[in-house]
Amino acid sequence: AQKVTQAQTEISVVEKEDVTLDCVYETRDTTYYLFWYKQPPSGELVFLIRRNSFDEQNEISGRYSWNFQKSTSSFNFTITASQVVDSAVYFCALISDQTGANNLFFGTGTRLTVIP
Amino acid sequence: DAGVTQSPTHLIKTRGQQVTLRCSPKSGHDTVSWYQQALGQGPQFIFQYYEEEERQRGNFPDRFSGHQFPNYSSELNVNALLLGDSALYLCASSLGGLDNTEAFFGQGTRLTVV
Repeated sequence: AQKVTQAQTEISVVEKEDVTLDCVYETRDTTYYLFWYKQPPSGELVFLIRRNSFDEQNEISGRYSWNFQKSTSSFNFTITASQVVDSAVYFCALISDQTGANNLFFGTGTRLTVIP
Repeated sequence: DAGVTQSPTHLIKTRGQQVTLRCSPKSGHDTVSWYQQALGQGPQFIFQYYEEEERQRGNFPDRFSGHQFPNYSSELNVNALLLGDSALYLCASSLGGLDNTEAFFGQGTRLTVV
């Protein structure tokens, strides 16, 4: 069965520190997609990134970077020089044939608090 | 360009009642998915509608039903409400291809069952 584990329930950092959010996944499928979403207090989920299982290149977008390692089934997310606006709950999610097309299977989330 | 809009934003219902939640997808999107997010948990997939039909369903009882209209908007109905149905209900829209995987979410409807 598929599984997405975000072992860090809550993280607090001081502004300008770097922080890494961990995500470990399980799936029997060889083709799958991994996602990160941000959920601010307003409630909506904001799409951050999608990665397919055949693309292990790391990606950087501004202060955000993602490290995808199939060997360890991990898809970690790093925020560099954190800001107060980064405070939110972050979800890692998976789509595969097991979950069904377009059916996002989410982890339990990591609540990030950035202290000014 | 309006994103995904959901109504109402908050709702309080009594156990045993029925509730209808509404979602308008992002312009140009034809597929709507519904998720339930209990407090402190990640969202869980309820079902997905495409071309006015339920295309896929998660592990939710028949008390949860839905509908999609010709303009692609959607409703989620929950009958015989239980206290455990209290949650944030999120709607996501996307394009209909099975290999399209980018979903845009609304702000959700927070349902409280008392």
